[in-house]
Amino acid sequence: NAGVTQTPKFQVLKTGQSMTLQCAQDMNHEYMSWYRQDPGMGLRLIHYSVGAGITDQGEVPNGYNVSRSTTEDFPLRLLSAAPSQTSVYFCASSRRDGPYEQYFGPGTRLTVT
Amino acid sequence: DAKTTQPPSMDCAEGRAANLPCNHSTISGNEYVYWYRQIHSQGPQYIIHGLKNNETNEMASLIITEDRKSSTLILPHATLRDTAVYYCIVRALSSNTGKLIFGQGTTLQVKP
Repeated sequence: NAGVTQTPKFQVLKTGQSMTLQCAQDMNHEYMSWYRQDPGMGLRLIHYSVGAGITDQGEVPNGYNVSRSTTEDFPLRLLSAAPSQTSVYFCASSRRDGPYEQYFGPGTRLTVT
Repeated sequence: DAKTTQPPSMDCAEGRAANLPCNHSTISGNEYVYWYRQIHSQGPQYIIHGLKNNETNEMASLIITEDRKSSTLILPHATLRDTAVYYCIVRALSSNTGKLIFGQGTTLQVKP
């Protein structure tokens, strides 16, 4: 199993540009989430999904869109990038049943100039 | 989900046990205690979880007080590779939505 994969690893955007951060998992996990981590800070939840076709907002959803058309993929879209979205983005997945643990991807480092 | 309180930083000598405390005084009966760590610039890594009994795995031990209001993560023989930020998270089994709320965590520095 590859686990949770994220692409790209690094990205530089100009203000106003759009892009999609990709996240995929091959563990057949029902739950997937996106977090952002600013320098020196803890992780903050952006959006999450409990299964294909179902998404919900986390702590800091503004400026981000998500969709979940398959169990494996959970892309995060920035429609109009802003410097405040400069951060490291982590995707995670987990099983639904039981006191499961979450598996995290390696992260995408995004800089918006 | 209950809120947790952790010291911002701790030091530990290499080869000694590292004991990381966590206070969760408002924990409910159906809430589990989870520990994750984040080594510099990497994605968080699951360590261990428990409900009310002490737990041990290949990475660490988790000691939960009888009243469940606090817990301690124990790394029995800390190495330099254990230098990381350690997060204590409390959440209910019924909260099966994939949500984890991270606090500031404890930065553990293992020194030679």
